[in-house]
Amino acid sequence: DVKVTQSSRYLVKRTGEKVFLECVQDMDHENMFWYRQDPGLGLRLIYFSYDVKMKEKGDIPEGYSVSREKKERFSLILESASTNQTSMYLCASSLRQGASEAFFGQGTRLTVV
Amino acid sequence: GEDVEQSLFLSVREGDSSVINCTYTDSSSTYLYWYKQEPGAGLQLLTYIFSNMDMKQDQRLTVLLNKKDKHLSLRIADTQTGDSAIYFCAEVQDYKLSFGAGTTVTVRA
Repeated sequence: DVKVTQSSRYLVKRTGEKVFLECVQDMDHENMFWYRQDPGLGLRLIYFSYDVKMKEKGDIPEGYSVSREKKERFSLILESASTNQTSMYLCASSLRQGASEAFFGQGTRLTVV
Repeated sequence: GEDVEQSLFLSVREGDSSVINCTYTDSSSTYLYWYKQEPGAGLQLLTYIFSNMDMKQDQRLTVLLNKKDKHLSLRIADTQTGDSAIYFCAEVQDYKLSFGAGTTVTVRA
């Protein structure tokens, strides 16, 4: 069974903290994605990676960075968390860019206080 | 990029058909997708349609594609309580999946 696992379901962090969201996939997929989901806005792409150590900015990269040191792991980093980064974060992976099925993790609900 | 658009809410009676509509932006999209998100879960691929097709049927699901109008719809026949979820339309833009805002479907008895 294909699996994308996010390290936490719920996180509460303080303003200004450095936050790490981890995502691991076991399908040997080339591509991995981080989305942010907000009511009425749908999913917005933050960053994606199509290979180890490669990364590309998505639509809303400001305030975020990513790391992909190993093929199976893609980390999202909030350098200095702010309250407007309170959201649901979804990780996904796919075999090929674009025209292939994307598999999603269960999501991490982050609250910044 | 430009937005994929869908209505935000749909309420339907159990046993009726649901129709969720979507307008996409990229006429060169090869595939168009419907994803389903159940409460507290990530997204799962529900179905997809290749751009050279007008219609695709899969059990209770029917996808209709109007390329001229860039309009995609998902019909769920005999809607059940388990169909209550958020449904996302998605297209490929610049080699990445771009999603609509999601339609929350509520099934009432």
